[in-house]
Amino acid sequence: QVQLVQSGAEVKKPGASVQVSCKTSEYTFADYYIHWVRQAPGQGLEWMGWIDPNIGDTDYAQKFQGRVTMTRDTSITTAYMDLSRLRSDDTAVYYCARGHGESGAFDIWGQGTKVTVSS
Amino acid sequence: DIVMTQSPDSLAVSLGERATINCKSSPSVLYRTNNNNYLAWYQQKPGQPPKLLIYWASTRESGVPDRFSGSGSGTDFTLTISSLQAEDVAVYYCQQYYSTPYTFGQGTRLEIK
Repeated sequence: QVQLVQSGAEVKKPGASVQVSCKTSEYTFADYYIHWVRQAPGQGLEWMGWIDPNIGDTDYAQKFQGRVTMTRDTSITTAYMDLSRLRSDDTAVYYCARGHGESGAFDIWGQGTKVTVSS
Repeated sequence: DIVMTQSPDSLAVSLGERATINCKSSPSVLYRTNNNNYLAWYQQKPGQPPKLLIYWASTRESGVPDRFSGSGSGTDFTLTISSLQAEDVAVYYCQQYYSTPYTFGQGTRLEIK
């Protein structure tokens, strides 16, 4: 079945960078946007941006502009999210999610990657 | 940015009873060219990623039980669970995908009374 499998938990120091990967399977990677959403502990959902795996176009939330980079490797059907200059308030679970083909809502989600930023 | 506001923040309903969650957008998420409301509902259980329940405000995702229904248009939307089951305990989020940044409501925690 369609799956998005994310990389494992990370612990980083303030100022460092983190990369989270999202390995997709059982669908045509190029046909569906990949979105990144994060959730701070006990908090709600925050959209970070999307990447079009077909041509690599991206759209980032203004809040993350200059710190986030979304890329993909079509040969291994994997999307990546890099976040730099980490702060303690970047501590969160980071999700990748597939854009629903019919509507644009997010129909398939990865299991989440916990990123902890602590000195 | 489009602001999504849910009410109530938490809700306790007896098993078998109806649960209703509201979501208001500001401004509207109705795209008049195709008459679609760019509004989705998600369910999130502890330790799990969100699960898509409803898109286009009222279209149930494949595999979602028919006790879940969505309604509304423009700026006011409702998620209804017609007969609450124990497995429906979760946090529910509305989301607009009309324009970026895509935004979510703050969530509504649904519990059993």
